[in-house]
Amino acid sequence: SSELTQDPAVSVALGQTVRLTCQGDSLRRYYATWYQQKPGQAPVLVISGKDNRPSGIPDRFSGSSSGNTASLTITGAQAEDEADYYCNSRDSSGYHKVFGTGTKVTVL
Amino acid sequence: EVQLVESGGSVVRPGGSLRLSCAASDFTFDDYGMNWVRQAPGKGLEWVSGINWSGDSTGYGDSVKGRFTISRDNAKNSLYLQMNSLRAEDTALYYCARESLGGCRGTSCWGGFDIWGQGTMVTVSS
Repeated sequence: SSELTQDPAVSVALGQTVRLTCQGDSLRRYYATWYQQKPGQAPVLVISGKDNRPSGIPDRFSGSSSGNTASLTITGAQAEDEADYYCNSRDSSGYHKVFGTGTKVTVL
Repeated sequence: EVQLVESGGSVVRPGGSLRLSCAASDFTFDDYGMNWVRQAPGKGLEWVSGINWSGDSTGYGDSVKGRFTISRDNAKNSLYLQMNSLRAEDTALYYCARESLGGCRGTSCWGGFDIWGQGTMVTVSS
């Protein structure tokens, strides 16, 4: 079973803000990274480290963490943000990697 | 352009073997750890295996440990996954992914997977 837990699905009105969460014990020690995956495409890294966006990722995506919970916030959601989002980190041992269960984001 | 291209996926019978390859281009391959991640049809992402820059440290997910072997050839800028004793539940799209540097909180570092290939499909079926 996955050591990182995410809500299965969330919806957000166009232009509004949505926060996705990822919970796991290993997040007390390691940062989470976040990926966006659209149908038929490979995942794309959107947030890493404390709150780092790779080149080309819009600044409406931001990350934060507290205790055993990491969050991805989309401020002013756009239609093109509709996708599956996965968190990822090392597991509690630090040797292996683990993905969250994924959250499907629907933009209304 | 920084790129990863997977190959080797096919249809194989249960109990069979397959070797996947991943060709890297336009970055210094031996600066990075590399990983395989898979996604079964309609399911989420699952980490399969990882290898450090030199190839002397490897790790495996519980579901593949003892059956899969990861390796790399830095001279050829290539990553491999030898899959033995394949099962129906190994059916998935297999991605090659580069492990990013950084993301350190004190001495605990995780930078994520910053470059992904497009994947190669493995189907295990009789």
